[in-house]
Amino acid sequence: AQRVTQPEKLLSVFKGAPVELKCNYSYSGSPELFWYVQYSRQRLQLLLRHISRESIKGFTADLNKGETSFHLKKPFAQEEDSAMYYCALKVNTGFQKLVFGTGTRLLVSP
Amino acid sequence: EAQVTQNPRYLITVTGKKLTVTCSQNMNHEYMSWYRQDPGLGLRQIYYSMNVEVTDKGDVPEGYKVSRKEKRNFPLILESPSPNQTSLYFCASSFLIRGGLRGLNTEAFFGQGTRLTVV
Repeated sequence: AQRVTQPEKLLSVFKGAPVELKCNYSYSGSPELFWYVQYSRQRLQLLLRHISRESIKGFTADLNKGETSFHLKKPFAQEEDSAMYYCALKVNTGFQKLVFGTGTRLLVSP
Repeated sequence: EAQVTQNPRYLITVTGKKLTVTCSQNMNHEYMSWYRQDPGLGLRQIYYSMNVEVTDKGDVPEGYKVSRKEKRNFPLILESPSPNQTSLYFCASSFLIRGGLRGLNTEAFFGQGTRLTVV
């Protein structure tokens, strides 16, 4: 069965500290993974996707098929990074299905 | 501005009183979907629609109905709400790109959410 696991409900760091939000997945097909972010009182929005291999707002994520992971990293956290982060797996069953993890709340303190 | 609009943003209702949460997108997306977000469970798909008059169940469809009479609108209907449907609901939409696998698509755009409380 397809599954996305985000083991940390809350991650609290100080400004300037490195951040790593963990995401592991279980999927028998070829995975396509995303990170979505939800800032306070705002809608979910796409942060980045693994196929783009891009860096958005200083965040990067590398797909590691051996470890079935897609951890989100940022070398120096900023207060404005405080938000809820969701890892999502697109399942190709002939139509779109996004399977989401349970989310990790990142809190960056001054 | 490209967006997905949900209404209402907040709703408190009583058990058994039918309600509809509307969702509208202005991006001409074929695909639309409803999710509910619950603590510790993340987002779970309720229903989705590939195009007008084409809808199907997601992972947690019980107690919900949808319709897709127009491309831009995808309302979520609770015929007889119950307290276990208290949740935060999100509508999402995206294009469908018919590549090697039917239905591959780009990112999903989300609405701002509807917080529903059923007492």
